Amino acid sequence: EAGVAQSPRYKIIEKRQSVAFWCNPISGHATLYWYQQILGQGPKLLIQFQNNGVVDDSQLPKDRFSAERLKGVDSTLKIQPAKLEDSAVYLCASRSVGGGTDTQYFGPGTRLTVL
Amino acid sequence: QKEVEQNSGPLSVPEGAIASLNCTYSDRVSQSFFWYRQYSGKSPELIMSIYSNGDKEDGRFTAQLNKASQYVSLLIRDSQPSDSATYLCAVRRSGGSYIPTFGRGTSLIVHP
Repeated sequence: EAGVAQSPRYKIIEKRQSVAFWCNPISGHATLYWYQQILGQGPKLLIQFQNNGVVDDSQLPKDRFSAERLKGVDSTLKIQPAKLEDSAVYLCASRSVGGGTDTQYFGPGTRLTVL
Repeated sequence: QKEVEQNSGPLSVPEGAIASLNCTYSDRVSQSFFWYRQYSGKSPELIMSIYSNGDKEDGRFTAQLNKASQYVSLLIRDSQPSDSATYLCAVRRSGGSYIPTFGRGTSLIVHP
């Protein structure tokens, strides 16, 4: 079973530029999460999708961040314009429920550096 | 008050010892508790989940939950250098959107 795929793995941009990240969850996983992990901290949820609908985006800075999951499969997270404090690893995860287990599987992440 | 608190460490233990990692949480309606391991530069990986008070064992790992004290811990027996990583505690409310809240993690160093 293929894992959660993310691209790009690394991105360096200047402040005020825009950037987009892509995520393809594990096949069949209806729930998809985007997290922001700043160095030395735990992951912070930005947005959760259930199929193609948004379940929670209360911590997403909507003035600059947007995300979509149009067909209920892969997802894109965009930042426009980027700020220095957006430098972080952006993690995508998908969730599997069943058989007595409830597990989030994380992708490798995209490391964003804003200069 | 932070929702999920962990000592950032580092916690240093010798090889073969028991490593004890602790986590406290503030939301009394939390129902699901998870421990993730994160190697440097890698993404988190689930190693244990626990939902009921008491102990849950899986190989060298034991998770302990005390809801009355709002405390969850992870014990690693016979610690190996390969266990050196950051251990993240995550807590989730029952029902709703199933969103976990993560602590900042505890760095564990197992030295030979």
